Amino acid sequence: DAGVTQSPTHLIKTRGQQVTLRCSPKSGHDTVSWYQQALGQGPQFIFQYYEEEERQRGNFPDRFSGHQFPNYSSELNVNALLLGDSALYLCASSWASLANYGYTFGSGTRLTVV
Amino acid sequence: KQEVTQIPAALSVPEGENLVLNCSFTDSAIYNLQWFRQDPGKGLTSLLLIQSSQREQTSGRLNASLDKSSGRSTLYIAASQPGDSATYLCAAGAGNQFYFGTGTSLTVIP
Repeated sequence: DAGVTQSPTHLIKTRGQQVTLRCSPKSGHDTVSWYQQALGQGPQFIFQYYEEEERQRGNFPDRFSGHQFPNYSSELNVNALLLGDSALYLCASSWASLANYGYTFGSGTRLTVV
Repeated sequence: KQEVTQIPAALSVPEGENLVLNCSFTDSAIYNLQWFRQDPGKGLTSLLLIQSSQREQTSGRLNASLDKSSGRSTLYIAASQPGDSATYLCAAGAGNQFYFGTGTSLTVIP
């Protein structure tokens, strides 16, 4: 049973560019959440997608956007990259209600902005 | 806003010791609390999930407790091993997100 799959694993982009990160949830999961983890910090919630809609959003600017597809996979897009966007981006999947099952995380995408 | 704090930030112990990692949260209105392990540069591995109605969960050498009223959770690791060296994160689930602490970096010395 495959867990959460993220691609790519590493990425280097130039300031001002745009990037797309991808996530396939664990089999049976229908909800995808994205987190940003800066070096030495705990993960910070970006947003959550359920039924192809953004259900909740954290304190991140509109440069961060996402999408969920009918097969529950998801993309995270970041426009106009800043040096401060360099971080580990984590995707987590769950089944419907956070209250019942918690999260399963992927291995993350390491984004470096130069 | 939910704030999660983990103490200590770093811990170094000799192999075989029992140890306790602490996690506190400011808002007791949580659905659950999840403990994760993170190896350097890697993603998060779930260790234990405690629902708000539960007091503790156990898996092998790990035991996690939850006291919602006091806003505290502890992770107990018995008979520590060098392979336990990692960063341990706790996360309080509320609404549709988890609120994370900054973690405890554990080093187990052979």
